[in-house]
Amino acid sequence: GNSVTQMEGPVTLSEEAFLTINCTYTATGYPSLFWYVQYPGEGLQLLLKATKADDKGSNKGFEATYRKETTSFHLEKGSVQVSDSAVYFCALSVTTDSWGKLQFGAGTQVVVTP
Amino acid sequence: NAGVTQTPKFQVLKTGQSMTLQCAQDMNHEYMSWYRQDPGMGLRLIHYSVGAGITDQGEVPNGYNVSRSTTEDFPLRLLSAAPSQTSVYFCASSYSTSSGGYEQYFGPGTRLTVT
Repeated sequence: GNSVTQMEGPVTLSEEAFLTINCTYTATGYPSLFWYVQYPGEGLQLLLKATKADDKGSNKGFEATYRKETTSFHLEKGSVQVSDSAVYFCALSVTTDSWGKLQFGAGTQVVVTP
Repeated sequence: NAGVTQTPKFQVLKTGQSMTLQCAQDMNHEYMSWYRQDPGMGLRLIHYSVGAGITDQGEVPNGYNVSRSTTEDFPLRLLSAAPSQTSVYFCASSYSTSSGGYEQYFGPGTRLTVT
């Protein structure tokens, strides 16, 4: 079956530090890959996505590259801010699911301190 | 557009009580779904709908019912609440993009506690 594995948190960083959250997946078919962010007390928001191998998704200074050879989609940001404190979810959907059903990782909490 | 709305935001139930979590979307999306979020487990799919009148089970459907009489609304019913159903519930709607993929929009969630 399809699954997503992401690094456990919490990840605690100082402001302006470099952030990496690892995400690997297993999937049948040709998955699209996503990163969602959940700020405290809110729902999930799409942060970025990539739909085919070697695509790079980017948004708000975050980037992730779809690596088919390593089945990975690691999230990176060069200089985090306190406002980046949130829970980050890696997810995939496969084309065989007709409505884009998402398979989520467990989530990684990121805490950025001033 | 209000997007995806959910009510209530918080709810406390006693074991055995029933209730309905409301979900509505105003984006005319064809697809809607319900997830539950538990610590360390990410979001797990409860039920989903690919159109009005069509629903199907997800990964963890036991104890929940759904119906989809209109495109806009997708309520989730807890038949007889159990402490194991204490969770945060998210409703989502999705559509097919021009590139052939799908994009999902999530509601703000309902935090349910069953005592």
